[in-house]
Amino acid sequence: DTAVSQTPKYLVTQMGNDKSIKCEQNLGHDTMYWYKQDSKKFLKIMFSYNNKELIINETVPNRFSPKSPDKAHLNLHINSLELGDSAVYFCASSQGDRGRSEKLFFGSGTQLSVL
Amino acid sequence: QKEVEQNSGPLSVPEGAIASLNCTYSDRGSQSFFWYRQYSGKSPELIMFIYSNGDKEDGRFTAQLNKASQYVSLLIRDSQPSDSATYLCAVKVWMFSGGYNKLIFGAGTRLAVHP
Repeated sequence: DTAVSQTPKYLVTQMGNDKSIKCEQNLGHDTMYWYKQDSKKFLKIMFSYNNKELIINETVPNRFSPKSPDKAHLNLHINSLELGDSAVYFCASSQGDRGRSEKLFFGSGTQLSVL
Repeated sequence: QKEVEQNSGPLSVPEGAIASLNCTYSDRGSQSFFWYRQYSGKSPELIMFIYSNGDKEDGRFTAQLNKASQYVSLLIRDSQPSDSATYLCAVKVWMFSGGYNKLIFGAGTRLAVHP
């Protein structure tokens, strides 16, 4: 059973298009995240939701809009895609920001290529 | 700006040797420190966490923390070719401006274990 699943795995699209990435977790976790990993391998948090409530919204262009219909799902919609959006996007989940040893469970990633 | 620094490598070690991976962080108030392993084309997975000064051992892995020097390291004993991966150091920091915790990742150190 896949714990954190995201689709699609690969996304190739033209500049200016709108695309969505979906994420689902079956771990019963309260908190879900979107991370972006660029070509230099830096993994940076974009958004975090706790029980459908937006907790973290880093300095991300407002072309990126997360949506959490329930605590098991966190989708990411991107409008007007730009070349610089090309990266690997990881969804992750955790029990919640309760302890110092909190563990993140990552999805397999979505490789986004904007042409 | 809260930062986590790692040498990008590659760190090349022979099979059976000890691999030593290092990480420094800028936020003195950080309390929790994590090591994630990421195989090429895969998602990060947690291998160790530490929050007290000193050493913490788990099998062939030892995490070391020195808060005074703002330094955390990961030792891998009896390195195996299967340990070849990128190791990401992550530090949990408190964001006063937003009132939340977040993980800041280093860019990772690529480890190559050769037979």
